[in-house]
Amino acid sequence: AQSVTQPDIHITVSEGASLELRCNYSYGATPYLFWYVQSPGQGLQLLLKYFSGDTLVQGIKGFEAEFKRSQSSFNLRKPSVHWSDAAEYFCAVENQAGTALIFGKGTTLSVSS
Amino acid sequence: DVKVTQSSRYLVKRTGEKVFLECVQDMDHENMFWYRQDPGLGLRLIYFSYDVKMKEKGDIPEGYSVSREKKERFSLILESASTNQTSMYLCASSFELAVAADTQYFGPGTRLTVL
Repeated sequence: AQSVTQPDIHITVSEGASLELRCNYSYGATPYLFWYVQSPGQGLQLLLKYFSGDTLVQGIKGFEAEFKRSQSSFNLRKPSVHWSDAAEYFCAVENQAGTALIFGKGTTLSVSS
Repeated sequence: DVKVTQSSRYLVKRTGEKVFLECVQDMDHENMFWYRQDPGLGLRLIYFSYDVKMKEKGDIPEGYSVSREKKERFSLILESASTNQTSMYLCASSFELAVAADTQYFGPGTRLTVL
């Protein structure tokens, strides 16, 4: 069965430092992968998604993610974090029927000044 | 701009009450979803609907039902609320049912407390 693992529950990064949030998936074929962000008091917003092709995907707000089939990973990165990036981040994979998303448990990002 | 609205941001109910959570989207989307979000568990799909009066069970449908009488509105119903249904409930919608084809747009959530 498909599943998503986000190994880090909480990460703190200094403002201006680089960021990498980890995501590992379990899926039988080439997965469709997503990163969503949830700011405090807000609904989830799509940051980026991977379907096929170029394994480095660019998203909104300066985020990117790299699909690595050999490592079953889809890690999210940002070269320089801003205080407004403090939020909860969710990695997701499509379900077997392709009709809904299976979410990881989330990683909370705190940004220190 | 896609807008998904949920009728309440906060709701407090008593055990055994019948609870209705309402969700409305204004983009003529075909598909609507109800998720439950709990700390340390992420989001879990309760039910989804791909057309008016059509519904499919998600991963955790027990204790819930849904209603979709109009395309823009999708209701989540707790027939007899229990304390273990205290949670944040998120509604989402999308135009295409295939996840690969379309983005899901989320509402701000309803935080339900059952006493």
